[in-house]
Amino acid sequence: GAVVSQHPSWVICKSGTSVKIECRSLDFQATTMFWYRQFPKQSLMLMATSNEGSKATYEQGVEKDKFLINHASLTLSTLTVTSAHPEDSSFYICGCPGTGGNTQYFGPGTRLTVL
Amino acid sequence: GQQLNQSPQSMFIQEGEDVSMNCTSSSIFNTWLWYKQDPGEGPVLLIALYKAGELTSNGRLTAQFGITRKDSFLNISASIPSDVGIYFCAGQRTSYDKVIFGPGTSLSVIP
Repeated sequence: GAVVSQHPSWVICKSGTSVKIECRSLDFQATTMFWYRQFPKQSLMLMATSNEGSKATYEQGVEKDKFLINHASLTLSTLTVTSAHPEDSSFYICGCPGTGGNTQYFGPGTRLTVL
Repeated sequence: GQQLNQSPQSMFIQEGEDVSMNCTSSSIFNTWLWYKQDPGEGPVLLIALYKAGELTSNGRLTAQFGITRKDSFLNISASIPSDVGIYFCAGQRTSYDKVIFGPGTSLSVIP
């Protein structure tokens, strides 16, 4: 399967600061990447679809001005949590389509804790 | 919106027992995916299903794509302690589309 990396693996920040999370596809090119959020003991919830060279598509209820997505190249998408608050503390996971687009491979996740 | 249900929500089994879990949807999917997630890690793809009625195995795991395209099941035979984790089903409507996750089944294996 495809290899997806995320950086950092965990981050702790103060309330009001911004945090950037990177997602990289290591062995393939991805014109589309997906950002998910997972709260404790819950499932993965899709936040947005990141599109290379164009604007991201956000799911209903997700603030696009708070969760900035930049898909700068075919192997890199970034998610920036702006003005983070404690309720933004969560596990953020990115996913990339596999060959043919009918599977999805996930990164190892980024644990964000906002104090 | 699209919603997936998984059952059971959790299960505790003895090592060596077989396990069966299933997933149902209110709408049709053209791809069914089964993932396992360990604590603090991302989901790992176990099995992908692409055709209604398809039965696919991966070692001790077997999954089937339901005829109605609204359900799927996953079986694990002869469970071992490392099978412990959260199992998620996920559906996809078209290629390169988003993947919708079920709520998960938590599996505990008693040695």
